[in-house]
Formats: sequence, C-alpha cells, structure tokens
Amino acid sequence: AQSVTQLGSHVSVSEGALVLLRCNYSSSVPPYLFWYVQYPNQGLQLLLKYTTGATLVKGINGFEAEFKKSETSFHLTNPSAHMSDAAEYFCAVSDWVLRFGAGTRLTVKP
Amino acid sequence: DADVTQTPRNRITKTGKRIMLECSQTKGHDRMYWYRQDPGLGLRLIYYSFDVKDINKGEISDGYSVSRQAQAKFSLSLESAIPNQTALYFCATSEEGRSGELFFGEGSRLTVL
Repeated sequence: AQSVTQLGSHVSVSEGALVLLRCNYSSSVPPYLFWYVQYPNQGLQLLLKYTTGATLVKGINGFEAEFKKSETSFHLTNPSAHMSDAAEYFCAVSDWVLRFGAGTRLTVKP
Repeated sequence: DADVTQTPRNRITKTGKRIMLECSQTKGHDRMYWYRQDPGLGLRLIYYSFDVKDINKGEISDGYSVSRQAQAKFSLSLESAIPNQTALYFCATSEEGRSGELFFGEGSRLTVL
C-alpha cells in the first residue's frame, strides 16, 4: 500500500524565513500527492496537490511543492514565513483513499 | 453553512457507553470517510463509503461501525467506548477518483473516561 513519511514532527522558523517541510512517499503506482493544512481547532484544508504534469505545484498562501520521482519526495516550501502560517501540515498519498503522514507542526517566531 | 457538518463537536463519555458521531455534507459527493487523529500519528482511516450501498473498513476499524443513511449522511458508532478511543474524529467527503480533494468537517472531539 502507498504511504508517506514526514521528516520532523516540529519545525520552528522566524517570520520572513524560508519554510521547508519534508515528505517522502512510497507508492507502487504513479503517486498522487497532497499537502493539507490544519489551523488550530479546525478541519484540514487542501494546500496543493500533484497528479500528473508539471512537477512544481503552487498552492495557496505562497506555498509550493516539487515532485521528485528520483528522490521519492514531495517537500513543501514557502520562501517567507508569516505568523499566520503557524499550523500543522500533513502530506498524503492517494491510491483509492487518502493516506496521511504523521504531520509536522510549524511554529513561526516573531 | 459548512459543507461538512459534524455533531457533536465535543463529547465526554464513560467506558462501555455507546456513542454515535454524525456527519452530513452538502457537496453532493458520493464518497464519505471517517478518520481519527491522534497526536504524532496523523490521520488514520476508520471506514469509508463510495456510495450509499458501499461500506469498507479502513486501517483501524476494530471497535467501530458505520451507517450510510443517505448520500449526504454517514455516521460512526462506538459500540462500547474504551479510553484509547479518546481522539479527534473527522468526517470528510470527496469526488470520485484518485485526485479528488477531501473536504473535512471541523471534527468531533471524543473523551472516554
């Protein structure tokens, strides 16, 4: 079955700094990959997804992710962190259902 | 109004009690899901349904059951709650296909004493 591994349960950056959240996947078929964000006391919402085509995918709030087949990775980046980006981020892979990683909590320091 | 509504939002109960969490959606999707979130474990799939006549077990279905009452309604039951079922439960819905985005409810926080 497909699975994802998120490296680092907690990432802390300063406001304005680069955000890098790591995700590696395992899939026996061409993967469909997703990043979701969960703000405090809310459900999850889609940030971006990769299905086919362009390997650099842009999402909401300045986030983007690059699909690298050779590295089995789908890391999430944002060039400039804002306080409002503080949340938990989940990587996920789809076979016939969505399977989530353990999550990475992002803290943004002023 | 929210696309996916879960009730109750918070519930405290005792070991051995039967609990039902309800979910309704207005997206018009056939697919519905129940996930459980625990700190450090992410979201794990409990049950999913691809249409009103289809029910499938997920990774962690033991101790849970579901009912798909209509296209828009999907409920999760804990027949005899135990403390390790204390968690945040999410209902979600999606379109067909591997690329379909999941739309989540705001979650139901369950505490079993």
